[in-house]
Amino acid sequence: QVQLVESGGGVVQPGRSLRLSCADSGFTFRNYGLHWVRQAPGKGLVWVAFIANLGNNKYYSDSVKGRFSISRDNSKNTLFLQMNRLRAEDTAVYYCARGPSEGGSLSDAFDIWGQGTMVTVSS
Amino acid sequence: SYVLAQPPSVSVAPGETATLTCGGNNIGSNSVHWYQQRTGQAPVVVISYDNDRPSGIPERFSGSNSENTATLTISRVEAGDEADYYCQVWDSDTDHWVFGGGTKLTVL
Repeated sequence: QVQLVESGGGVVQPGRSLRLSCADSGFTFRNYGLHWVRQAPGKGLVWVAFIANLGNNKYYSDSVKGRFSISRDNSKNTLFLQMNRLRAEDTAVYYCARGPSEGGSLSDAFDIWGQGTMVTVSS
Repeated sequence: SYVLAQPPSVSVAPGETATLTCGGNNIGSNSVHWYQQRTGQAPVVVISYDNDRPSGIPERFSGSNSENTATLTISRVEAGDEADYYCQVWDSDTDHWVFGGGTKLTVL
């Protein structure tokens, strides 16, 4: 069964850091680009970051650029999101989602999603 | 930045047809994907590349995309279709991925 499983969420104070992880099963992890998408309580989906299958290309939304860092370890089939200088407005459920396959297009759909991990930034 | 506009809510009776729109500047030149998110669950893609149905998605779901509006059509609506629906595109000008604000579909 193809799936993604996020972990690492929790409650953190403003200005502190947190690292999220996303592990896969059921597909060839290194062949796919991956996204992080977040959803604040009661709000819509917002794209956060993307990393290409080999980690050589990374893109960030304007709201997190310079504070968040996306990375991956293909030997451990794991995706990461390092979140620094956290703010209250970063409070959300964070989803990892599968993007384009190797040789695919950046316009490909997010075809597999994890169940999400909740991050709460509060003092 | 590129903006996708969706009506906040649409209501339809069971068995009727729901039409959900997604507006964007010249969106017809982009590939549009649609996601269904039931309460408390992760999103699921129901239409990709304007009008392709992934495996397991009922034929009742269809899509179209032209000029400034993309449309998700759900025929013979069922109670289980009640969910939030999001459109999404990739903006090649900024290398950003964009979601619409979402439409809550209520089945009366």
